[in-house]
Amino acid sequence: GENVGLHLPTLSVQEGDNSIINCAYSNSASDYFIWYKQESGKGPQFIIDIRSNMDKRQGQRVTVLLNKTVKHLSLQIAATQPGDSAVYFCAEKDNTGFQKLVFGTGTRLLVSP
Amino acid sequence: DTEVTQTPKHLVMGMTNKKSLKCEQHMGHRAMYWYKQKAKKPPELMFVYSYEKLSINESVPSRFSPECPNSSLLNLHLHALQPEDSALYLCASSPDRGYEQYFGPGTRLTVT
Repeated sequence: GENVGLHLPTLSVQEGDNSIINCAYSNSASDYFIWYKQESGKGPQFIIDIRSNMDKRQGQRVTVLLNKTVKHLSLQIAATQPGDSAVYFCAEKDNTGFQKLVFGTGTRLLVSP
Repeated sequence: DTEVTQTPKHLVMGMTNKKSLKCEQHMGHRAMYWYKQKAKKPPELMFVYSYEKLSINESVPSRFSPECPNSSLLNLHLHALQPEDSALYLCASSPDRGYEQYFGPGTRLTVT
């Protein structure tokens, strides 16, 4: 199947900075995208999702942007905190199967105090 | 209750052993999933159950056998595993009309 990939494997930021984690996807028919945070030794934790009929969605300190023209997804984290340090995965709903998510390769976010 | 639980947290087994992983959710979700995750890799889908019926099997070897006894429980039976099967096994569930999946903490499996 098609892959969802990330541009940067590791992102290092200072506490208080804004972080931007990027994701490129290749399936132009994908209509749903989701971001997960995975801390060491834990399962992925749902952060935020977005459907393809939207280009922006905001949560608490997080914003997801979707650019369907260039098939690009980003996760913005405002005022990054040490507790945000984790691996972040984007995923897209596989439009060949209702319940199947295809995960990207992941970006590690390191937040320095 | 918005939690997916998995037991055991850690499991070490030999290649001739038979063991089972268990997953439970009480969110009323009717779709449940098994994923395998190797170190520094994304989760890879293994099986999907929808309304207690197997709907997706991602060509998983028969030494992995899933079971969904009821809408809240999902098991993964393991037999004659190989060392390369060592990984984090994640369970997830999703609501009827949503695509978001909620994950459990995983079982760290080591095959010796």
